[in-house]
Amino acid sequence: DIQLTQSPSFLSASVGDRVTITCRASQGIGTYVAWYRQEPGKAPNLLIYAASTLQSGVPSRFSGSGSGTEFTLTISSLQPEDFATYYCQQIKSYPLTFAGGTKVDIK
Amino acid sequence: QITLKESGPTLVKPTETLTLTCSVSGFSVSTSGVGVGWIRQPPGKALEWLALIYWDDDKRYSPSLNNRLTLTKDTSRNQVVLTMTNVHPVDTATYFCAHIHADPKFDSWGQGTLVTVSS
Repeated sequence: DIQLTQSPSFLSASVGDRVTITCRASQGIGTYVAWYRQEPGKAPNLLIYAASTLQSGVPSRFSGSGSGTEFTLTISSLQPEDFATYYCQQIKSYPLTFAGGTKVDIK
Repeated sequence: QITLKESGPTLVKPTETLTLTCSVSGFSVSTSGVGVGWIRQPPGKALEWLALIYWDDDKRYSPSLNNRLTLTKDTSRNQVVLTMTNVHPVDTATYFCAHIHADPKFDSWGQGTLVTVSS
């Protein structure tokens, strides 16, 4: 199985801050990574796929990069609705796996 | 507009079988390239992928569930059914179904249904 590790697990930030979250894979997975945002009490929402492609309807403040084993999700200017938990997922092979998540809290 | 909705029991006893239904609209479960997956999330914990069924009835399961899962789809009702046998308290979670097209990235999700396993 491909293991994914996100860092940090938790971060505190303010509205307007630039935030970067890292996802590392236990083996090379090309660009087969997706990123989700999950607001409290809600279902996850797809933000980025193929490591850097913005899902339709997702604000441009979100961006993704990386390939192989290291990936990043960047939020250029944090908005109130962005205080949530973020997950990366690998879609390279089965079983599909998610990382443990990064909770972004208000400083 | 794609929508998915999970339904099933909210409380199940240990060792029983859990059956969850995902009713979808805005797409057909038999359309080429389409799939429906199940993901769960124990309270306060991370997402865990469980299973996925494609339009052509190809099925994939998480090996960590030790053959406890079965997926079926009902094209006439546009539903996907997940069955989990021999449930235990550790299976307590919110269960989500979600839509995929081509790549197994989940681009639309149901609201989720909380299932508690307790005697």
